[in-house]
Amino acid sequence: QKEVEQNSGPLSVPEGAIASLNCTYSDRVSQSFFWYRQYSGKSPELIMSIYSNGDKEDGRFTAQLNKASQYVSLLIRDSQPSDSATYLCAVNWDFNKFYFGSGTKLNVKP
Amino acid sequence: SQTIHQWPATLVQPVGSPLSLECTVEGTSNPNLYWYRQAAGRGLQLLFYSVGIGQISSEVPQNLSASRPQDRQFILSSKKLLLSDSGFYLCAWSTNPGDGYTFGSGTRLTVV
Repeated sequence: QKEVEQNSGPLSVPEGAIASLNCTYSDRVSQSFFWYRQYSGKSPELIMSIYSNGDKEDGRFTAQLNKASQYVSLLIRDSQPSDSATYLCAVNWDFNKFYFGSGTKLNVKP
Repeated sequence: SQTIHQWPATLVQPVGSPLSLECTVEGTSNPNLYWYRQAAGRGLQLLFYSVGIGQISSEVPQNLSASRPQDRQFILSSKKLLLSDSGFYLCAWSTNPGDGYTFGSGTRLTVV
């Protein structure tokens, strides 16, 4: 069975620190990987995508992918209270379908 | 620019009542359309997806159904709601899934 696993948290970090969010997936043929941010009561919004092994940086966000270890992570530098949300990892196993982890709740304390 | 509309925002329905949730996309043609459900404190569960008019794929057996009567319209229905149907229903679209989805604002359904 294809699965995407995330630690549910909450992960608490002080303002200005680096938050590290992790995700593992169960299938080796996944092609695309995504991180979504979901504020409480709101719909998810796409913040990062990554397709190749290595790091991808976008502002304060860095996505890391290791296909051999079936592992994808998201680093948030200089964390802000506005980053407090649930972060969802999504994996594209089939061209038309994404599978989501249950999310990690991040709390950034002022 | 592309936008996705989903309504209603909230809905409280009694057990056994019918359901119809509608999603429309503007500013694009032939999008892939998706329905997801998020139970309280849980991840997103893919319910249905559609790659074209009248083409519906179901991911999970349940008492829900989906239809796509027009290119940019996607409808989620049920003839008789169950308590377990409560959740946050999200519609999403993409033209290239490799670029990720865009979600609508969601419908919070409570079955009582």
